[in-house]
Amino acid sequence: DAKTTQPNSMESNEEEPVHLPCNHSTISGTDYIHWYRQLPSQGPEYVIHGLTSNVNNRMASLAIAEDRKSSTLILHRATLRDAAVYYCILRDGDTGANSKLTFGKGITLSVRP
Amino acid sequence: NAGVMQNPRHLVRRRGQEARLRCSPMKGHSHVYWYRQLPEEGLKFMVYLQKENIIDESGMPKERFSAEFPKEGPSILRIQQVVRGDSAAYFCASSHPGQGAYEQYFGPGTRLTVT
Repeated sequence: DAKTTQPNSMESNEEEPVHLPCNHSTISGTDYIHWYRQLPSQGPEYVIHGLTSNVNNRMASLAIAEDRKSSTLILHRATLRDAAVYYCILRDGDTGANSKLTFGKGITLSVRP
Repeated sequence: NAGVMQNPRHLVRRRGQEARLRCSPMKGHSHVYWYRQLPEEGLKFMVYLQKENIIDESGMPKERFSAEFPKEGPSILRIQQVVRGDSAAYFCASSHPGQGAYEQYFGPGTRLTVT
């Protein structure tokens, strides 16, 4: 799987939007961009994924650069419960729908009340 | 619809004992993955199984570790002759073939402590 680069940490204020960046300059044409998060002492949780177009769901939005070399996870109104480690992961669509996830260090999001 | 279930949630073993970790995937899911998270480290893939088949075991240590997903019952991750370095959180995930999102659903993990 291609490599992603994320900042180590980010701070946000409660009820403000949060933009979590991810660089993936070596992304291939068949790589999907997935985001997972891990709350303290819990298992990872799927957040969102996309290929080329921006995506929205009830949890977040995913903005993908036109050249696909970077993406941004957007939490529209951060809550204290959003404090977690957020992982940006590339998955090769050619290897099939079901394949392993390769986790990096992720970005640790802190939310100030 | 119950989520992915793992048991036990906490497991303490002495060096040299065996550890058995169980994972029941979400209803209708036939794909199971095991990941390990060592203290202060990231999640590492271990093995990917479908019913009665190991699909990818590229992350499994060569010795003492084995995994199975029988036709009936939960998936089992077995660690023989545990050592202190096996102390970690072990997470199981499952997925459903054919769903468009292909997301993996994770369980709460089993925290193994080797004394």
